[in-house]
Amino acid sequence: GQQLNQSPQSMFIQEGEDVSMNCTSSSIFNTWLWYKQEPGEGPVLLIALYKAGELTSNGRLTAQFGITRKDSFLNISASIPSDVGIYFCAGQGTGNQFYFGTGTSLTVIP
Amino acid sequence: DAGITQSPRHKVTETGTPVTLRCHQTENHRYMYWYRQDPGHGLRLIHYSYGVKDTDKGEVSDGYSVSRSKTEDFLLTLESATSSQTSVYFCAISESQGAADTQYFGPGTRLTVL
Repeated sequence: GQQLNQSPQSMFIQEGEDVSMNCTSSSIFNTWLWYKQEPGEGPVLLIALYKAGELTSNGRLTAQFGITRKDSFLNISASIPSDVGIYFCAGQGTGNQFYFGTGTSLTVIP
Repeated sequence: DAGITQSPRHKVTETGTPVTLRCHQTENHRYMYWYRQDPGHGLRLIHYSYGVKDTDKGEVSDGYSVSRSKTEDFLLTLESATSSQTSVYFCAISESQGAADTQYFGPGTRLTVL
């Protein structure tokens, strides 16, 4: 099955720093989704992107749908301790299936 | 939060026993999915449904079956559980709105097969 390449795998940052992570695919996607998962919980949708080039924000989070439709980026500005978790990207092509990255584990050091 | 519940939330069973996990939604969404999540593999699709009685296989469907007799319920069955099926199972729902598909997840079921 298709799997997205998500990087970095893990990040350790100081509180207040900005964070960037990205996902790449060998296939073109029509939708990119970004999720956050905390221990013992299901993934929670953060941002949805539907058009190439689209830039969407949700509070301190900003995500972009790459022009090539094969990548997406998530940025978190001014990180805080509650940003800790695993962030997943997901892409959807022409069918109804979604394909997931392996996640970026974020640790914020107070 | 999307109205998705999963039951049970935790289960311990023995190899060879049948197990059924339930996903229930209150959103009346057309599409429902079952994923498993394992370290190093991320989320992998087991089966999905695109309507009542309409299901299809995902990437890791061997050893699993599903049924959807009502819009709101999607059942995942392990006919004869094996230790390799120890995992966290997530249900998800989505509603196709042209190009604007979005997927929401349930809280998960942690299954341990001894």
